[in-house]
Amino acid sequence: DAGITQSPRYKITETGRQVTLMCHQTWSHSYMFWYRQDLGHGLRLIYYSAAADITDKGEVPDGYVVSRSKTENFPLTLESATRSQTSVYFCASSESMGVSYGYTFGSGTRLTVV
Amino acid sequence: GQNIDQPTEMTATEGAIVQINCTYQTSGFNGLFWYQQHAGEAPTFLSYNVLDGLEEKGRFSSFLSRSKGYSYLLLKELQMKDSASYLCAPRDMDSNYQLIWGAGTKLIIKP
Repeated sequence: DAGITQSPRYKITETGRQVTLMCHQTWSHSYMFWYRQDLGHGLRLIYYSAAADITDKGEVPDGYVVSRSKTENFPLTLESATRSQTSVYFCASSESMGVSYGYTFGSGTRLTVV
Repeated sequence: GQNIDQPTEMTATEGAIVQINCTYQTSGFNGLFWYQQHAGEAPTFLSYNVLDGLEEKGRFSSFLSRSKGYSYLLLKELQMKDSASYLCAPRDMDSNYQLIWGAGTKLIIKP
C-alpha cells in the first residue's frame, strides 16, 4: 500500500540496548524526518534527510544515529538506549520543503526504555 | 529566537464554535500550518496559510496575521470527533524551511 509506515508500533527495551526504528515511504519523497513527541513538548526534530545519503541534525540529535541508503527508507537507531529516550517517535516525509501541504506522518512508534 | 504559544487545553460544547489561538516568533516566516492529532495517532494536515487573511475549508477555517505573528483555527458546528490536539506550526526559512512546532492545544468537546 502507498504511504508511510513505521515499525514496530510498540517497543520495550532495556537501558543500554541498541534499538532501531524503521520508516518506509512509497511516494519517493525527497525529505524524511524523525521527531519525538513528549508530553508538554511540541514535536522535536531529531534528524532529517534531504535525499539518499544526505542527513542532518535537528534539535535533539544526541544519542541517535540515522542513515538513508535508499530514498524510501530512513531508519533511526538508538545506540545505547536511556530512560530519557522513552517517547513516541514519528517519522514524516515531504516532497519538498516549500509545499503547501506540509509533512505526512507515519503512525508512530511508542518506545519504552526500562 | 523561535517561540510558539498556544493554550494548553480548551473545552467546548458539541455544536458550538471554538477558536484556538497561536502566536509565534520566527526569524524567517514562510507560512503556517495547522495539524490535528487524535490521542495515540499521528498528526494530520488541516490547513496552510502564507498570506494574511482567512482560509476556509468546510467546518474549519484558519486565519493569519503576519504583522502580529498571530494565527487562529476556527472550528464550527463542533462534533465529538473534533476532540483532539491541534498543533500550530510556522515554517521558518532561516531554519532550512523546517516546521517549528507548538506543544499543541488539547480540545475537549462535551455533549
